[in-house]
Amino acid sequence: NAGVTQTPKFQVLKTGQSMTLQCAQDMNHEYMSWYRQDPGMGLRLIHYSVGAGITDQGEVPNGYNVSRSTTEDFPLRLLSAAPSQTSVYFCASSYGTGPQLETQYFGPGTRLLVL
Amino acid sequence: SQQGEEDPQALSIQEGENATMNCSYKTSINNLQWYRQNSGRGLVHLILIRSNEREKHSGRLRVTLDTSKKSSSLLITASRAADTASYFCATDAYNTGRRALTFGSGTRLQVQP
Repeated sequence: NAGVTQTPKFQVLKTGQSMTLQCAQDMNHEYMSWYRQDPGMGLRLIHYSVGAGITDQGEVPNGYNVSRSTTEDFPLRLLSAAPSQTSVYFCASSYGTGPQLETQYFGPGTRLLVL
Repeated sequence: SQQGEEDPQALSIQEGENATMNCSYKTSINNLQWYRQNSGRGLVHLILIRSNEREKHSGRLRVTLDTSKKSSSLLITASRAADTASYFCATDAYNTGRRALTFGSGTRLQVQP
């Protein structure tokens, strides 16, 4: 299994540009999420999904869109990039949508620089 | 504000010593999870402890949970240089309507060879 994969690994954008960060998992996980990590800080939740066709907002959703058309893929779209969105973005997935969230499997991250 | 907060923010020890990191949280939880992050990498899961458990072990790792004090600790025994990383606690809060883990800001551990 490849686990959780993210592309690209690194991206430079100009203010106002849009782009999509890709995330895919091959573990048949129902739950997927996107976090951003700013220097020296923990992870903040952007959006999450409990299954195909179901998404919800996290702590810092503004400026980002998501969709979940398949179990495997959970892309994150930046609508109009701003310097404040310079960060490292992590995708994660886990089994099930039971009463508790289980172990999260993280991708390697995408480093985004917005000029 | 963060649900989980780690203490200390940074810790430097010698190889062979034990390292203890603490995590405090604010609301009732379903479980608490510890993750490790090597510099520039993604997070790797270490241990998950449920609200009805008090202690769990995995190799050189020992995690305790005190729900009355809303706190957890991660002990790494006989540390190695390879344990150098940032360690995060994450909480699955109970009945918040949002299905997501909340991460603390982490403890940066430096193990000197």
